[in-house]
Amino acid sequence: KNQVEQSPQSLIILEGKNCTLQCNYTVSPFSNLRWYKQDTGRGPVSLTIMTFSENTKSNGRYTATLDADTKQSSLHITASQLSDSASYICVVSAQVGAAGNKLTFGGGTRVLVKP
Amino acid sequence: DTEVTQTPKHLVMGMTNKKSLKCEQHMGHRAMYWYKQKAKKPPELMFVYSYEKLSINESVPSRFSPECPNSSLLNLHLHALQPEDSALYLCASSQSGGPYEQYFGPGTRLTVT
Repeated sequence: KNQVEQSPQSLIILEGKNCTLQCNYTVSPFSNLRWYKQDTGRGPVSLTIMTFSENTKSNGRYTATLDADTKQSSLHITASQLSDSASYICVVSAQVGAAGNKLTFGGGTRVLVKP
Repeated sequence: DTEVTQTPKHLVMGMTNKKSLKCEQHMGHRAMYWYKQKAKKPPELMFVYSYEKLSINESVPSRFSPECPNSSLLNLHLHALQPEDSALYLCASSQSGGPYEQYFGPGTRLTVT
């Protein structure tokens, strides 16, 4: 069964500090791994998307890493801002023929940035 | 334009009502998706349409009826829902035929009374 596990479930950090979120997955056949940011009551917004051959990808203060051998990914937030308070969801994609791709979602990490 | 729009933003309906959720995208995507998301849980896939044809139905109860009238529009018709169907309903779209980026709409917050 395809699964995506994220840790921690939640964390509180002070504004300006860095933090790292973890994601472990067992999804086959692996196509790509995405990190989404979701504000409460809103749709997820993509931060990064990485294929099998990519080890790291940055989007501003967000840097994602991927180790396809160990099936692990991390999302590092640098110099956190209050607007970074949100849920961060790790999503692994498996292609489903011509129908597109099927996503397996992690449970998310809820980040709260305090002043 | 990388926007997926959904209407209405909020919907309250009784268990005997019939209502519809609408989703629209103008990115030329040929795959469109409906997800259901309960509070503090990740989205759960409900339906996938590819080239206006239903390709995946994740064993969703028949009180949810999807429709894709054209390549830009996706509807979700609701009838005889239960209170436990209250959730955020998300629409997404992507290019078809590969593991392409899915773009999500802002969602419709549905409350069934």
